[in-house]
Amino acid sequence: KAGVTQTPRYLIKTRGQQVTLSCSPISGHRSVSWYQQTPGQGLQFLFEYFSETQRNKGNFPGRFSGRQFSNSRSEMNVSTLELGDSALYLCASSARGSGANVLTFGAGSRLTVL
Amino acid sequence: GNSVTQMEGPVTLSEEAFLTINCTYTATGYPSLFWYVQYPGEGLQLLLKATKADDKGSNKGFEATYRKETTSFHLEKGSVQVSDSAVYFCALSDSGGGADGLTFGKGTHLIIQP
Repeated sequence: KAGVTQTPRYLIKTRGQQVTLSCSPISGHRSVSWYQQTPGQGLQFLFEYFSETQRNKGNFPGRFSGRQFSNSRSEMNVSTLELGDSALYLCASSARGSGANVLTFGAGSRLTVL
Repeated sequence: GNSVTQMEGPVTLSEEAFLTINCTYTATGYPSLFWYVQYPGEGLQLLLKATKADDKGSNKGFEATYRKETTSFHLEKGSVQVSDSAVYFCALSDSGGGADGLTFGKGTHLIIQP
């Protein structure tokens, strides 16, 4: 059973650019969550999608957005990149959304903003 | 809001030593509690979980007991191995449906020396 796949694994952007990250969940999982991991702030919740609808959202500016497709694949977009957006972005999927459901994480997309 | 506090380390132990990583939390209601582990260059993997008070989660020799009276979920292992070297994250999911997603501690970097 394939795990959670994130692409690209590594990318470098410059300030002001935008970036799109992709996440393919485990087959059958309908919930996809995104987290940002930085050395200073640790792991912070960005948003969660379930059946193409955003269910929950963390405390991030509107430059951070996402969507989910009918096949449960998800993308997140960061516009007008800032140096502080450099981070490991982790996607996680689960069979159901929220609560005590176990999240399975991908390996992450490491974004460097120069 | 919800929060998780854990020692950040690094924690350095010799092989076969006893391990304790402390984790305390603040949450409204009755959260579910988790320990995740992150190996270098990888995403997070669920190590164990507990969904109600006095539950004990266990996996791969690791154990943690949900203590509501002390709001704690300390991770223990009787005899650590070099392969246990990783970063360990304590996390909670609130009982209200996870509006904030998972709330993570800052992570504890564990180094096991042969």
